[in-house]
Amino acid sequence: DAGITQSPRHKVTETGTPVTLRCHQTENHRYMYWYRQDPGHGLRLIHYSYGVKDTDKGEVSDGYSVSRSKTEDFLLTLESATSSQTSVYFCAISETNLGELFFGEGSRLTVL
Amino acid sequence: SQQGEEDPQALSIQEGENATMNCSYKTSINNLQWYRQNSGRGLVHLILIRSNEREKHSGRLRVTLDTSKKSSSLLITASRAADTASYFCANSGNTPLVFGKGTRLSVIA
Repeated sequence: DAGITQSPRHKVTETGTPVTLRCHQTENHRYMYWYRQDPGHGLRLIHYSYGVKDTDKGEVSDGYSVSRSKTEDFLLTLESATSSQTSVYFCAISETNLGELFFGEGSRLTVL
Repeated sequence: SQQGEEDPQALSIQEGENATMNCSYKTSINNLQWYRQNSGRGLVHLILIRSNEREKHSGRLRVTLDTSKKSSSLLITASRAADTASYFCANSGNTPLVFGKGTRLSVIA
């Protein structure tokens, strides 16, 4: 299995609080992604990174920011969590921008 | 949205039968990929088919691609209870992978 670790795996928080999810990889892959998965919507891309300090927005980026200060870590931040951000968040990595993705086990976030 | 669609949304079959899932996408692609997701787990890559390929096999999996119709199909032959999962197609063009909404497959022993 690809070395991808997401933390925390489960989190319950209140509306208006900041939340940071961490994705850590040991594969030295260049590309990293954050997706959210919701019933009826499948997986939707939030943000992705194509290198250290190089990031771009995905389809559902509003309310989220990311940072990648080193190859192995990709952080997803919700500055002020809302109930609509209750979801399961998946981190993924890939060697190339068109290649196979390797997924983490997901982080389940509940915003009350 | 550039999100594709899988069809059917849910499929229930008996063990030993074949399962066919279809995928449609909206943009031109470089390749199309299929993934499986077991309940509560992350997605796992199954197979990748390039835009210049029409068919690809991997074990009990057979994938076809029709770029003129912007569609793909995944066939799982001789299904097993362990194949019970959600299956997603994802297309890769000039942007990161865009996933469909998935097909939920139940294989009954």
